[in-house]
Amino acid sequence: DTAVSQTPKYLVTQMGNDKSIKCEQNLGHDTMYWYKQDSKKFLKIMFSYNNKELIINETVPNRFSPKSPDKAHLNLHINSLELGDSAVYFCASSQDRRGHGFFGQGTRLTVV
Amino acid sequence: QKEVEQDPGPLSVPEGAIVSLNCTYSNSAFQYFMWYRQYSRKGPELLMYTYSSGNKEDGRFTAQVDKSSKYISLFIRDSQPSDSATYLCAIFSGAGSYQLTFGKGTKLSVIP
Repeated sequence: DTAVSQTPKYLVTQMGNDKSIKCEQNLGHDTMYWYKQDSKKFLKIMFSYNNKELIINETVPNRFSPKSPDKAHLNLHINSLELGDSAVYFCASSQDRRGHGFFGQGTRLTVV
Repeated sequence: QKEVEQDPGPLSVPEGAIVSLNCTYSNSAFQYFMWYRQYSRKGPELLMYTYSSGNKEDGRFTAQVDKSSKYISLFIRDSQPSDSATYLCAIFSGAGSYQLTFGKGTKLSVIP
């Protein structure tokens, strides 16, 4: 039974398209995150939500918009995709705000 | 200076060796220290978590924190081929910021 699940696992799309990645956690955690891991494997936080409230919004283009319909879900919508958006996007959750939590399997986004 | 520095390796050791992985950090406000393991094409998995100086053991793994030197280490005893992965240190401030900062990861290969 997957604790943090993301869909889709792979996403190949053309430049300029709009796409969404979904994330769900069944751990009852209060805090959820989106991270981006680039081709050099560097993992950087993008957003964090605590009880549906945005608490971290790092410097990412405003083409990226997170949406949290409830505590168990945090989706990521990306408008006007660019080549540089190609990366692996990880969703994670933790019981509190200290970030040490569970990661999903990642969504490998390729923009062509 | 980057907030968290980690030698990316790669590091290659024979099976049974003791492995030492290290990170340095610059912000003395950092309070919580974590090590994650990431297998290829998988999400990071939390291995160890500590918030004080000293050692913490869990099976073959020992996490060590030296706050005076701003230096953290992960030791793996009796290394196994299944330990081959990328190890990421992660540090959390806790001082009004809920951001988890990752090192770039060290790629470890344990050769049978």
